[in-house]
Amino acid sequence: AQKITQTQPGMFVQEKEAVTLDCTYDTSDQSYGLFWYKQPSSGEMIFLIYQGSYDEQNATEGRYSLNFQKARKSANLVISASQLGDSAMYFCAMLNYGGSQGNLIFGKGTKLSVKP
Amino acid sequence: DAGVIQSPRHEVTEMGQEVTLRCKPISGHNSLFWYRQTMMRGLELLIYFNNNVPIDDSGMPEDRFSAKMPNASFSTLKIQPSEPRDSAVYFCASSRSGSGSNEQFFGPGTRLTVL
Repeated sequence: AQKITQTQPGMFVQEKEAVTLDCTYDTSDQSYGLFWYKQPSSGEMIFLIYQGSYDEQNATEGRYSLNFQKARKSANLVISASQLGDSAMYFCAMLNYGGSQGNLIFGKGTKLSVKP
Repeated sequence: DAGVIQSPRHEVTEMGQEVTLRCKPISGHNSLFWYRQTMMRGLELLIYFNNNVPIDDSGMPEDRFSAKMPNASFSTLKIQPSEPRDSAVYFCASSRSGSGSNEQFFGPGTRLTVL
């Protein structure tokens, strides 16, 4: 079964420190993509970063990086130099490119709170 | 560039009434998705279209829910009759198939409250 697991319902981090949000996934497909979305209190879903299953290098986008460990089926999000505006819900999601394409499967999310 | 547009942003209705949610995807995107978000169940895919054709509607909760995509620039999600348990935020998202990542761009959502 295809599944995304985020084991941290809530996380706290001090401003300017780095934080890692965990994500593990389960799929039998060889070709898939992993995404992280941010949902602030205003409710919109904001795309942060993408990692393809065949990408050899970890994805980076500014202060966001994805620690992709394929053998462990993990795709943790690392936020460096946390800012107060990073306080939000963070969702890990997976898209399988084989079979039924297009279906993003989301984890339950992690609520990140950045302390001043 | 305009993102995904959803209307209304907020809807409050009484049980038994018909509710219609609307979505305009990003121009040039050929895939459209309807999601529902609740505290209990998180984000769930309801249905998605590719080139205006419904591909997977297995997430539609029951016959009270229906979705249409009459053309590439418009989709509706209808609930008839509505029930209090339908209260949720409904997101529409679009993507362009074959664009590599198939990143989905989300609309702002419609917050539905059924009394």
